[in-house]
This record gives sequence, C-alpha cells and structure tokens, in this order.
Amino acid sequence: EAGVTQFPSHSVIEKGQTVTLRCDPISGHDNLYWYRRVMGKEIKFLLHFVKESKQDESGMPNNRFLAERTGGTYSTLKVQPAELEDSGVYFCASSLYPAVRWDNEQFFGPGTRLTVL
Amino acid sequence: AQSVSQHNHHVILSEAASLELGCNYSYGGTVNLFWYVQYPGQHLQLLLKYFSGDPLVKGIKGFEAEFIKSKFSFNLRKPSVQWSDTAEYFCAVGNSGYALNFGKGTSLLVTP
Repeated sequence: EAGVTQFPSHSVIEKGQTVTLRCDPISGHDNLYWYRRVMGKEIKFLLHFVKESKQDESGMPNNRFLAERTGGTYSTLKVQPAELEDSGVYFCASSLYPAVRWDNEQFFGPGTRLTVL
Repeated sequence: AQSVSQHNHHVILSEAASLELGCNYSYGGTVNLFWYVQYPGQHLQLLLKYFSGDPLVKGIKGFEAEFIKSKFSFNLRKPSVQWSDTAEYFCAVGNSGYALNFGKGTSLLVTP
C-alpha cells in the first residue's frame, strides 16, 4: 500500500513568488491534514479536510495560504505571495477517521521543505 | 498556554547507552499521547501511543514510554541504543478532536 506522498520534496523560491505544494493521501483516507514546522519550532497543525470539505482551518497563518482538495483526493496548499517567514517543512498526513482515537493513526508524508529567499 | 515541551533538543549518545527523552504537556482533561520518529530522509512514523490502561507502553524497535499523570509527563526510553536509532523524535498530544500538538523535537545522534 502506497503511503502519503508529497511533491515537491524541496522548493526554493523568492519572496513574493507563488508556490503550490501537493499531497496525495493514502487511498481511501477521507481525512487529510496539513502541518508545518518552522525551523526550531514545533510541528503545528494548519488545517483538516474531510473529503473535500475544510473541517478546521484554524491553524492557517493568514490569507496568503490557500488549501484545496477538489474531488476529495489529493490536496494542494498554495502560498501567494510567499514571505521569508513561510520557510519551513510542510507535512501532510491522512487518516481513515477524523478523530484522535486508538485505531486511527495519522500517517505522515515525507514533507516538503520550502525555502523563501 | 497549552503546550508540549521536550526538554532535550540535541542528544548525543554512544551505542549501547541508555536513552531517556523527556516530554511534558500542559493540556487538561483526557489526553492521548504519542511519540513519533523521523529517521534521516524518511517520513514521520509512529513509535508508540498511550490512550488508557497500563501507563507503561511498549512500541516498535525496543522503545517504551511511561505516562505519569501527576507529572504531566510521557518520557521515552530505550535501554540500549543503536546507531540506527539516530533520528529526530517528537512527542505529541491529542486532547480533543483530530489535530496533534507536537513538541519541538529532540535530535538524537548515536555514535559508534
């Protein structure tokens, strides 16, 4: 079974440019999460999709970030325009169920390392 | 403020040494606790988890963790580390809903 995949693995862009990150969850996982780790900080929750619907986007830092999950399969996270403080590693995770529960592991992708110069 | 604290940011051990990584949390109510590991070049993977029952939980690769409710702690232990344990370790808490709340991570380097 394929795991969670993310593309690209690395992205280097200049301040003011636009970047789109992609996440493909495990097949059959309706729940998809985005997290971000800024250097030296915690991995922080950004948002949660159930199928194509945003259940919670309380962790999104500002309106320069736009996440979509059209069709309820893969998801994209667009940063426009990118700022220096957006640099970090963006993780995607997926799970069968929406809740934190014993039988519901969140499986993580390898992350996309974003560097904004 | 609610948070997860990992006390050691960088740990260097020799092979066969014992390991204990500290994790404290400040969430109230029922919490579910996790340790994740990220090996170099790989994705985050679950090492072990605690939801209820025996506060001493065993995970993969010989790791274990002890939940001490009175201390709000969930320390990770391994009696004898190997070079292959070199990785970054993250403590996480789930206290409601679905989001995981992570600590800053501890980078472990095991030297031969």
